[in-house]
Amino acid sequence: QITLKESGPTLVKPTQTLTLTCTFSGFSLSTSGVGVGWIRQPPGKALEWLALIYWNDDKRYSPSLKSRLTITKDTSKNQVVLTMTNMDPVDTATYYCAHARIAAAANYFDYWGQGTLVTVSS
Amino acid sequence: SYVLTQPPSVSVAPGQTARITCGGNNIGSKSVHWYQQKPGQAPVLVVYDDSDRPSGIPERFSGSNSGNTATLTISRVEAGDEADYYCQVWDSSSDIYVFGTGTKVTVL
Repeated sequence: QITLKESGPTLVKPTQTLTLTCTFSGFSLSTSGVGVGWIRQPPGKALEWLALIYWNDDKRYSPSLKSRLTITKDTSKNQVVLTMTNMDPVDTATYYCAHARIAAAANYFDYWGQGTLVTVSS
Repeated sequence: SYVLTQPPSVSVAPGQTARITCGGNNIGSKSVHWYQQKPGQAPVLVVYDDSDRPSGIPERFSGSNSGNTATLTISRVEAGDEADYYCQVWDSSSDIYVFGTGTKVTVL
């Protein structure tokens, strides 16, 4: 059974760096064809993909946020960490991590965490 | 970057068929996935690879993809299908993931 859970601060100040941790179980991030992604959703708005790390440690980022994002994994701890620098109130959103299935151009997110709401405010 | 456009809303009576479109340039050449999101909940994958259903998803959910439009079809709509629906693709040219703008399905 695959499960994922996000953890991190619920409130950050503008200009601060956000660090979110995704702790997962039921799969290994060293297995070929697996990835973990981060997706966010501002209140009342659409889903926005942020970043993804592959089983082979390749990393991909949203072009619009690339300069602010870093994604890393700790396979031994079954964790993926996302950092986002220079936080702004427009970054207020629910942040989800999700298990990605990587299969011959049909890459999709088949298991999601419950999400964590991050508010950016002074 | 690649853009996926969905209608903001679709309304349908119980028992009828809802069709949700996802428009993108030559989207028929890509694999399209669909997610259902109910209020306060995380998204759930309901269709992957254009038309396949994950285990546990009713056969009432089906998908198609051709040309510049992909479609999620919900047959025999039930009150419990009321939710937001998002399409998603992987843009292989830049190795990024793209979500659609989302469609709110209202069951009348």
